[in-house]
Order: sequence, then structure tokens, then C-alpha cells
Amino acid sequence: DARVTQTPRHKVTEMGQEVTMRCQPILGHNTVFWYRQTMMQGLELLAYFRNRAPLDDSGMPKDRFSAEMPDATLATLKIQPSEPRDSAVYFCASGSNPDQPQHFGDGTRLSIL
Amino acid sequence: QKEVEQDPGPLSVPEGAIVSLNCTYSNSAFQYFMWYRQYSRKGPELLMYTYSSGNKEDGRFTAQVDKSSKYISLFIRDSQPSDSATYLCAMSAQITGGGNKLTFGTGTQLKVEL
Repeated sequence: DARVTQTPRHKVTEMGQEVTMRCQPILGHNTVFWYRQTMMQGLELLAYFRNRAPLDDSGMPKDRFSAEMPDATLATLKIQPSEPRDSAVYFCASGSNPDQPQHFGDGTRLSIL
Repeated sequence: QKEVEQDPGPLSVPEGAIVSLNCTYSNSAFQYFMWYRQYSRKGPELLMYTYSSGNKEDGRFTAQVDKSSKYISLFIRDSQPSDSATYLCAMSAQITGGGNKLTFGTGTQLKVEL
């Protein structure tokens, strides 16, 4: 089965450090999404790309978060500087058509001390 | 008020029971409705996907959409311990330029007991 691959699976770091999360979408999928999941807020959309172009990043705190797709096989989400309130599970998802559902990776569990 | 409301549970049922999970929403532009299942420490996986109103059945799972009431349901028949997970509803409206921006409920935690 084709899968969305996320690395690292777990990350613990201190406040103020830069954090980079990576996502390899399913081959052939042209839409990539970044979500954040917390107990209180559930799944929140941070940003998404179509054909590597950013379509919407309104859910992302732009002063510290940035999302890019250097190529069709890699999406990155960076936090600099990180803060304890950024602790959450970050999911990447990819899709192939506007009307087709998304497939999720298993997430990066981030803890900022 | 959130666009999508979902009772967080937890919901505990005996094996073999019929389970009913529900979401309400406020945005009348939503046209695509999905149910995802999420096991602990895993990503959400798609269970059911429906467009507009009506019912859709897949094995032990039935999804219902009532757009007039802005209410969707997922029924699980003959529930099994392996169904124990968090169930998330998700919805999207068609937007110009394509894409499938989803709005999720917060999820209902289900436990099926032996």
C-alpha cells in the first residue's frame, strides 16, 4: 500500500530551537496538507500546497512557522523559534484530485520543553 | 462556535452493539462528508466518503448525511473490540482552483468491550 511518510516520528527539544518536520507524499499526489492535532483543538489545518504552490497558509502562525515544497516528493514544516505551546502531533496528508479524500501519515509527535 | 461539532465521548459499548456517532455543522457550503478512524499514535485513515445527502453502506459501516438538518452520522453494526478508536468526521466545500480543504470535528473516542 502507498503511504505518506513523515519524519521524525518523535521530536523533543528545548524552547527556542529550530524544528524541521518532513513529509513524503504518496507518489503522484499533487496536493499536500499540514495539520496540527491537540486534545483541546483537535485537527487544525495549518497550510496546504497544490502542484507545489502554496494555496492557503492562513492557519499557520507566520512569525515562526514556514512551510515549503522543495520538490514533488518532499514537503517541510519548520518552526523557528519553537515554543512550549507548539507541542502537538503534526500530520501531513496528500491527495490526488480536488474531489478525492486525503491520506494521512502517522505524524510527528513534537514536545517543546 | 466551531464550524463542526462532535461529542468527544468517551463512548463505551459491549461487543456486538450498534454504535451511532454524530456530527453537526453550521457551514451550508459543505458538500463532501467523510469519516476517519484514528488508532492511538497513528494517523487518521479514511473509512467512508460521501457527497451531498443520503446513505452509503460499506460492510458493517453506514454513513448518513442530512444536509437539511446539517447533521451526519456513522453507524457501526456488530461492533468489535478492533473498532475501538477515535472517529473523526470531516467536511469540505468545493473551492475555486481545486483542493480539498477539510474541516474536522474533534473526534469521538469509542471503546468496544468484550
